[in-house]
Amino acid sequence: DIQMTQSPSSLSASVGDRVTITCRASQSINNYLNWYQQKPGKAPKLLIYAASSLQSGVPSRLSGSGSGSDFTLTISSLQPEDFATYYCQQTYSAPWTFGQGTKVEIK
Amino acid sequence: EVQLVESGGGMIRPGGSLRLSCVGSGFSFDDYGMSWVRQAPGKGLEWVSGINWNGGSTGYADSVKGRFTISRDNAKNSLYLQMNSLRAEDTALYYCAREDITMVRGVIKYFDSWGQGTLVTVSS
Repeated sequence: DIQMTQSPSSLSASVGDRVTITCRASQSINNYLNWYQQKPGKAPKLLIYAASSLQSGVPSRLSGSGSGSDFTLTISSLQPEDFATYYCQQTYSAPWTFGQGTKVEIK
Repeated sequence: EVQLVESGGGMIRPGGSLRLSCVGSGFSFDDYGMSWVRQAPGKGLEWVSGINWNGGSTGYADSVKGRFTISRDNAKNSLYLQMNSLRAEDTALYYCAREDITMVRGVIKYFDSWGQGTLVTVSS
């Protein structure tokens, strides 16, 4: 199985900060990488698919990049509604595996 | 509006069985593959099982292979997960998710809509 490792596991940031979350795959997954946001008590929400494609309705301050085994989710200017947990997911090879999550908290 | 509504969760003793259901609306159900994803209390997301549009292809996580069976009834816009030989470690919130694909630089699957989940608690 492909292992997905996110870093950091948690971070504290202020409104307006630029935030970067990294996801590393245990092998190359080309661009078969998706990002989700989950708020407490809510279902996950798709943000980015195919490493860099923004899902409809997702604000442009979020962006994804990377290919191969290293990927990044960037929030250019953190807003109050962005405080949540973020997960990466690979769909290159079944079983589709998720990273352990990165919790973004208010500083 | 796409909606996915799960049901069938509850409390069950170890070794017992449970059948989860997910009803989709607001889209052509038989155009999409579907998956079950679970989340243990306070933990991350784990893909459990997936099925293609017509039920002809299925997949399972190793942790549930041989115990869980995914199926669908397109006439009823419904997805199912039959869970047998349940264990304490199967305790989780179970989400159904719609699979979509993009064909830019490969056929890349992603989960673009999720239900609110149904809670399964396995305890003696």
